Amino acid sequence: GAVVSQHPSWVICKSGTSVKIECRSLDFQATTMFWYRQFPKQSLMLMATSNEGSKATYEQGVEKDKFLINHASLTLSTLTVTSAHPEDSSFYICSARDWQLNEKLFFGSGTQLSVL
Amino acid sequence: AQRVTQPEKLLSVFKGAPVELKCNYSYSGSPELFWYVQYSRQRLQLLLRHISRESIKGFTADLNKGETSFHLKKPFAQEEDSAMYYCALRIYGNTGKLIFGQGTTLQVKP
Repeated sequence: GAVVSQHPSWVICKSGTSVKIECRSLDFQATTMFWYRQFPKQSLMLMATSNEGSKATYEQGVEKDKFLINHASLTLSTLTVTSAHPEDSSFYICSARDWQLNEKLFFGSGTQLSVL
Repeated sequence: AQRVTQPEKLLSVFKGAPVELKCNYSYSGSPELFWYVQYSRQRLQLLLRHISRESIKGFTADLNKGETSFHLKKPFAQEEDSAMYYCALRIYGNTGKLIFGQGTTLQVKP
């Protein structure tokens, strides 16, 4: 089946630094990818929708200058957490839509970000 | 507003007992609903979608538009069913984004 690779799986950084998370569709083309944030024992909160070749669409309350999304190719979307602060610590999950497989959504394994 | 509600955070049953994980939704459009499952230390994966009306691993779910519900059922729970279950609503449009419920942890005891 389709595989979505998310990297890194965990990252620790200092407050004020930026962190980039990559999401790749390994064996299919994904014109649309989604970025979610998940707090412990809580649901996935959609942050933004990433469309290849165009600007991302952010959900209400998500700072676009804080969470930069780039979807430059049909197989890669990146989320950069800029000037990270401890409150940005969370589990970030990406997902990609395979339009050829009845529009099924496939998920990455997630990235645990800890900001010190 | 679009919303998915899973009222139970935790559901604990014994092996062989029936299981019903509740899901209610709020959406003005024509709903498309899904159940996703996350086993321990694994990524989220699709369990079933209402459009396909299929049964996966013995689980079924029926969309009830009158009650705006999409409850997940299994007649006889197995220990390997223990996982986190998320109900999700697809919002139509160019991107078809998914809105997730809060999730229910199913614990099947031996």
